Amino acid sequence: GIQVEQSPPDLILQEGANSTLRCNFSDSVNNLQWFHQNPWGQLINLFYIPSGTKQNGRLSATTVATERYSLLYISSSQTTDSGVYFCAGQGGSEKLVFGKGTKLTVNP
Amino acid sequence: DGGITQSPKYLFRKEGQNVTLSCEQNLNHDAMYWYRQDPGQGLRLIYYSQIVNDFQKGDIAEGYSVSREKKESFPLTVTSAQKNPTAFYLCASSRGGRTGELFFGEGSRLTVL
Repeated sequence: GIQVEQSPPDLILQEGANSTLRCNFSDSVNNLQWFHQNPWGQLINLFYIPSGTKQNGRLSATTVATERYSLLYISSSQTTDSGVYFCAGQGGSEKLVFGKGTKLTVNP
Repeated sequence: DGGITQSPKYLFRKEGQNVTLSCEQNLNHDAMYWYRQDPGQGLRLIYYSQIVNDFQKGDIAEGYSVSREKKESFPLTVTSAQKNPTAFYLCASSRGGRTGELFFGEGSRLTVL
């Protein structure tokens, strides 16, 4: 099945800094999503982005399907951005495969 | 408000007991999913259902059972056959088809003593 690799595994920032999180896939995907898990465990869908670029406030995502990767950009980070960011991809099977996540800590 | 409700949020059980986790959605989604998350890990799929009265095993179905008698409800039973049941359990739903956007409940944290 498809393999999903996320980097970096951990990231520590000062409030106001920008960051880029990366997600690599072992095979082509036609369904790619980014999620944020807050410290209480709730997972929020950030982007559904099988290709192209989308923006939502300080967050944006770009997927380059032909090169099998996706990037999540966080600008002017805030302490509330802390948590774990997951990407998940789906190729030929019906199942979405999750990466192990990037744990982001934003310090005040 | 539309969403996915999981209950209970926290559950403690003795070893050897079955436990059922509830998941209800009012998003009118066809597909529902159960995932398991262990500390520092990603999500692993336990079971999924794309239509009422039908469900399929995911990657780690052993020791779990589900039912899908109503579109809104997809309860998960953690049986005594599950060797390591202590974990965080997440229910999700999507419109269906090839998964689509996935929406999650708040999760249920099960601790087996």
